[in-house]
Amino acid sequence: SAVISQKPSRDICQRGTSLTIQCQVDSQVTMMFWYRQQPGQSLTLIATANQGSEATYESGFVIDKFPISRPNLTFSTLTVSNMSPEDSSIYLCSVEESLGTPKSTDTQYFGPGTRLTVL
Amino acid sequence: AQSVTQPDIHITVSEGASLELRCNYSYGATPYLFWYVQSPGQGLQLLLKYFSGDTLVQGIKGFEAEFKRSQSSFNLRKPSVHWSDAAEYFCAVSSDSWGKLQFGAGTQVVVTP
Repeated sequence: SAVISQKPSRDICQRGTSLTIQCQVDSQVTMMFWYRQQPGQSLTLIATANQGSEATYESGFVIDKFPISRPNLTFSTLTVSNMSPEDSSIYLCSVEESLGTPKSTDTQYFGPGTRLTVL
Repeated sequence: AQSVTQPDIHITVSEGASLELRCNYSYGATPYLFWYVQSPGQGLQLLLKYFSGDTLVQGIKGFEAEFKRSQSSFNLRKPSVHWSDAAEYFCAVSSDSWGKLQFGAGTQVVVTP
């Protein structure tokens, strides 16, 4: 499986500021995803990021708040903009490894997460 | 709309005892089902997955899961838990669209001596 790293691993930020989270994969992947895990909650998909196209956002998430870049097949960034305490969460990126047959064997692997605290 | 339900928020089990975590799904088509584990302060690790074929799936760390279409369930089991199995376990279903996962609320497992 792909090895995924995220930077930073954790951060404490002041409200009103922005933080950019990096996700690096050790192999080329088509699809990358960004999830949010609020304290004590499950994971919620923020957006899907494919190289060469605009990210696709889920209901409740907008590009102005969570701009995403996907400059190549091994890297993506998620920015949390104009932060408030409600943005305190773990942000995880994941990648989908395709073994060739669409959807029948695709599996997502997750990075270690970025723990964000907004004061 | 699809949904994933993990009825048990919290389970306490003695070390060496068996463990079963429940997962029920609501999905129109043939589902693709996953179990992930999240240890404290860690990311998610894939335990096992079901796409098709044999309904009893073997995973890592001694876990297995059984897909039961008639019950819309994909329960995770381990015959004998170890203290290191204390973690949060998430059941997930792939969505109608390419690659989107929907997660259950998670089950926190506590292992006692």
